[in-house]
Amino acid sequence: SQQGEEDPQALSIQEGENATMNCSYKTSINNLQWYRQNSGRGLVHLILIRSNEREKHSGRLRVTLDTSKKSSSLLITASRAADTASYFCATPLRGGGNKLTFGTGTQLKVEL
Amino acid sequence: GAVVSQHPSWVICKSGTSVKIECRSLDFQATTMFWYRQFPKQSLMLMATSNEGSKATYEQGVEKDKFLINHASLTLSTLTVTSAHPEDSSFYICSARQTSDTQYFGPGTRLTVL
Repeated sequence: SQQGEEDPQALSIQEGENATMNCSYKTSINNLQWYRQNSGRGLVHLILIRSNEREKHSGRLRVTLDTSKKSSSLLITASRAADTASYFCATPLRGGGNKLTFGTGTQLKVEL
Repeated sequence: GAVVSQHPSWVICKSGTSVKIECRSLDFQATTMFWYRQFPKQSLMLMATSNEGSKATYEQGVEKDKFLINHASLTLSTLTVTSAHPEDSSFYICSARQTSDTQYFGPGTRLTVL
């Protein structure tokens, strides 16, 4: 079964605004990853944050991880129309080696 | 960065036929490859884990005789959907892992079974 739940399920914002997506998971993890998927395409790896990290930046992306609350957030600053996509968090399956389980995803739409 | 390709990108077939999907890691050797399926507007569901030179490990509820996986080399894994039926229509995505925790995904294959 899927480990992660994401909210919101859908988010529509204007270009230039910030977009925040949240992910909650159920079991302890050693890392959490965020991926982007454009419609009908594969997934693009965005960022990996380890359990001993609280915040990580990559360009316009900022990811936080709160292991006590079993949650993570992805912030996209100064959004662009090209950021329109679905965003998924993924965590390792407990006892599953290198398998990942994906959250339900957030569909982001950035309008001009 | 690491590139993973899939072929074909889309395929339409008649019910009862078999379809083979290839997943290749183009610029790295993948110790492990994974196969996922994704229904419209839903998340990815892991189907199986494929390790080079050994049998694939299937997730609960995935029929291994229906979804045949072969990982013949460190850069190629294939998924064959045998005797496909309309309910097998889906988006199939593979990913490949080298040594780090990051998985690199292929562009996906859209399968439509008539």
